[in-house]
Amino acid sequence: DGGITQSPKYLFRKEGQNVTLSCEQNLNHDAMYWYRQDPGQGLRLIYYSQIVNDFQKGDIAEGYSVSREKKESFPLTVTSAQKNPTAFYLCASSPTGGASKAQYFGPGTRLLVL
Amino acid sequence: KNQVEQSPQSLIILEGKNCTLQCNYTVSPFSNLRWYKQDTGRGPVSLTIMTFSENTKSNGRYTATLDADTKQSSLHITASQLSDSASYICVVSSYSGGYQKVTFGTGTKLQVIP
Repeated sequence: DGGITQSPKYLFRKEGQNVTLSCEQNLNHDAMYWYRQDPGQGLRLIYYSQIVNDFQKGDIAEGYSVSREKKESFPLTVTSAQKNPTAFYLCASSPTGGASKAQYFGPGTRLLVL
Repeated sequence: KNQVEQSPQSLIILEGKNCTLQCNYTVSPFSNLRWYKQDTGRGPVSLTIMTFSENTKSNGRYTATLDADTKQSSLHITASQLSDSASYICVVSSYSGGYQKVTFGTGTKLQVIP
């Protein structure tokens, strides 16, 4: 999984509850990303960050929030405003400064609603 | 709208046989194309990455081709093994302003049977 860790592996959320998914990387990558994967669909970008203390909304940011206080960490909070949070969440990182940079993915967190 | 379409959606082959997976894209401007392998419940792992000027790239038993004129790519797997059973995802990137925007295909689910 290329030096990226995600925790927990499984997470259960109750109605109206906020939950936070952890993502840590030791690859010294500047850019980090959060994706959501649903059955039969391609990965969709939630948020991304190119540098510490800066992040941008992706295609489906509503109901999610992030922070990037450290280079190594990019936690994702799934808020109560996200009405359909059940999905497989993938964190990725990549170096910046060039076009041919592959993204390295973490092992994923599966979020389920109770 | 940037799109990546993969075919077939799923494929079953006998161990030892070869197979070819297809990817058509409409991403513009094109930067690079990557193939990822994703085991069930795990994060994707990069197999190959190709830029505009590259026609073919190999990684062991995996060979990817790219035709930038027709906007098509294929992933050929030679002498398949049981461990090749996974989803294979085609990812096409645009690059501008120092940031890669990636579009993911929905994947081809490959099952290799004894």
